[in-house]
Amino acid sequence: KAGVTQTPRYLIKTRGQQVTLSCSPISGHRSVSWYQQTPGQGLQFLFEYFSETQRNKGNFPGRFSGRQFSNSRSEMNVSTLELGDSALYLCASSLVSSPGANVLTFGAGSRLTVL
Amino acid sequence: GDSVTQMEGPVTLSEEAFLTINCTYTATGYPSLFWYVQYPGEGLQLLLKATKADDKGSNKGFEATYRKETTSFHLEKGSVQVSDSAVYFCALSRGGNKLTFGTGTQLKVEL
Repeated sequence: KAGVTQTPRYLIKTRGQQVTLSCSPISGHRSVSWYQQTPGQGLQFLFEYFSETQRNKGNFPGRFSGRQFSNSRSEMNVSTLELGDSALYLCASSLVSSPGANVLTFGAGSRLTVL
Repeated sequence: GDSVTQMEGPVTLSEEAFLTINCTYTATGYPSLFWYVQYPGEGLQLLLKATKADDKGSNKGFEATYRKETTSFHLEKGSVQVSDSAVYFCALSRGGNKLTFGTGTQLKVEL
């Protein structure tokens, strides 16, 4: 079956612009999470959506936002881009969002470069 | 807050050597523990997991045991291959899909 699909894979923006990244989870998966990966900060949790509701949010400024649609596809948006937003943005999906050890399947990521 | 500490890389080994990548964690309660692997240009793949103390996760020859007394989850493999070259991440979760990751350890295996 198809994995987690993220688009676009690569993009270049300039400071002050905004960007929207898309994530299509594995068919049947209802939970989508987003992570930012940078050389300096490593992998950091951005937010999690389940059934179109934000379940959890990491410690990022309000410029970072997301949403989930009824078909479980998710988008994240970063407004007023800063140089430090350059990163690999990873999306992960899982069947559920339970208190237990959910197995996450990650996409290949969207690499954002801010100039 | 929660945190995960991994040994610094890169770790360079010859093929068929024994691998250990150390991982310790700080968290309240009883988190679940994971090892993920990232190959160049790809996303993360779950390698193994353990959900309670003394559980041993294993996959593809890799093993890790959840040690509550030492708050550790060290990754081991008896004989590495060139194809194991990748970045390995230790992570914990106290629920839901929020994972706290370590900084990653790059493994290079040479012939």
